[in-house]
Amino acid sequence: QVQLQESGPGLVKPSETLSLTCTVSGFSISSGYYWGWIRQPPGKELEWIGTIYQSGTTYYNPSLKSRLTISVDTSKNQFSLKLKSVTPADAAVYYCAKQGDGRALEYWGQGTLVSVSS
Amino acid sequence: DIQMTQSPSSLSASVGDRVTITCRASQSITNYLNWYQQKPGKAPNLLIFATSTLQSGVPSRFSGSGSGTDFTLTISSLQPEDFATYYCQQSFSTPHTFGQGTKVEIK
Repeated sequence: QVQLQESGPGLVKPSETLSLTCTVSGFSISSGYYWGWIRQPPGKELEWIGTIYQSGTTYYNPSLKSRLTISVDTSKNQFSLKLKSVTPADAAVYYCAKQGDGRALEYWGQGTLVSVSS
Repeated sequence: DIQMTQSPSSLSASVGDRVTITCRASQSITNYLNWYQQKPGKAPNLLIFATSTLQSGVPSRFSGSGSGTDFTLTISSLQPEDFATYYCQQSFSTPHTFGQGTKVEIK
């Protein structure tokens, strides 16, 4: 069974870098498929952040592209997100997910809440 | 970016009711339309992908239809566990944008 688990600090200071890792179990990232990040500010809608393939090919949301880096470590079966220069607007529950048929997000992590405050 | 607009934003319905949620894309997305269910404090759960294909394990009372720019999610007979927020998502082109959500509440 495919499982994803987000990890990282729950509190980040404004202007600093938000770093999260998604650890995948039950499926090898090296087997293919795209792996993505999605976020959801409290009480608001979902926002697609970006995806990465095992090869390192990435697609980013243009609204975040200048601050965003998504990377993959197939040896650890993990992929990661780094978002620079955060502001309170970046506070959200961050989810990692596996993309499947139709490019739909078929497996999700439980989500991790990231607050931005000094 | 492709904008996704859901309607209604919320609805009240009773157990056993037939419920329909619509999703409109700002341009054609062929059939790259997905539906998710989200319950409070939980991650979204994929219900339907590619407009009408039911994800494994999803009850058959859920169905999807449409093409191009207009899509529909139908719950044929609402069950107590279906009270949740539903999101559509286009996966035709990046960024894979979501609709604003439709909250289905108990009447």
